[in-house]
Amino acid sequence: GAGVSQSPRYKVTKRGQDVALRCDPISGHVSLYWYRQALGQGPEFLTYFNYEAQQDKSGLPNDRFSAERPEGSISTLTIQRTEQRDSAMYRCASSPSTGLRNYGYTFGSGTRLTVV
Amino acid sequence: AQSVSQHNHHVILSEAASLELGCNYSYGGTVNLFWYVQYPGQHLQLLLKYFSGDPLVKGIKGFEAEFIKSKFSFNLRKPSVQWSDTAEYFCAVDGSGNTGKLIFGQGTTLQVKP
Repeated sequence: GAGVSQSPRYKVTKRGQDVALRCDPISGHVSLYWYRQALGQGPEFLTYFNYEAQQDKSGLPNDRFSAERPEGSISTLTIQRTEQRDSAMYRCASSPSTGLRNYGYTFGSGTRLTVV
Repeated sequence: AQSVSQHNHHVILSEAASLELGCNYSYGGTVNLFWYVQYPGQHLQLLLKYFSGDPLVKGIKGFEAEFIKSKFSFNLRKPSVQWSDTAEYFCAVDGSGNTGKLIFGQGTTLQVKP
């Protein structure tokens, strides 16, 4: 596609429900990153992939959070048993190559998650 | 742990005023530095980046930033702002050996009055 596509744009869920957030990167982009941004804060790193391999998941807050990118393209961030503190903007970004020296990221528009 | 500090949380300027947004980071090793911008209703976009070489980096839309290693700083500047520069600005650091794992500052909201 022309850009990084995230769906849904907005998600309201009840506490305790599971949610799956989808990221469709630019075609052919090798690296894919997930960030979370709370209101009034900068994006906070969650995890990233090179192709289908999850390279670093040190930013995932706890074991309720997981991510996958099984075919090296679309990625899903799953939050189980959601809590109100999970409410945030979840951002996805992709890059044509590993590292940012030559290209930098392209960010998607984000998914605004609200847990009620 | 690495961190990024943006000193100004909310800046209000009149058109044609000069802009300088502060950014300091805490990391002793080699870093790659970035400024991102988010215009109202849009996604985050790269303004400029520094990897090596000339510490004065020029980006899009007339922005520039200067890397001062001794001060652990990467301040963003623009000589004359326009109303269209109203946006949120984020400084970010990659101290992970160019993996692309960024640590972002909390952002500075710039409001330019016409």
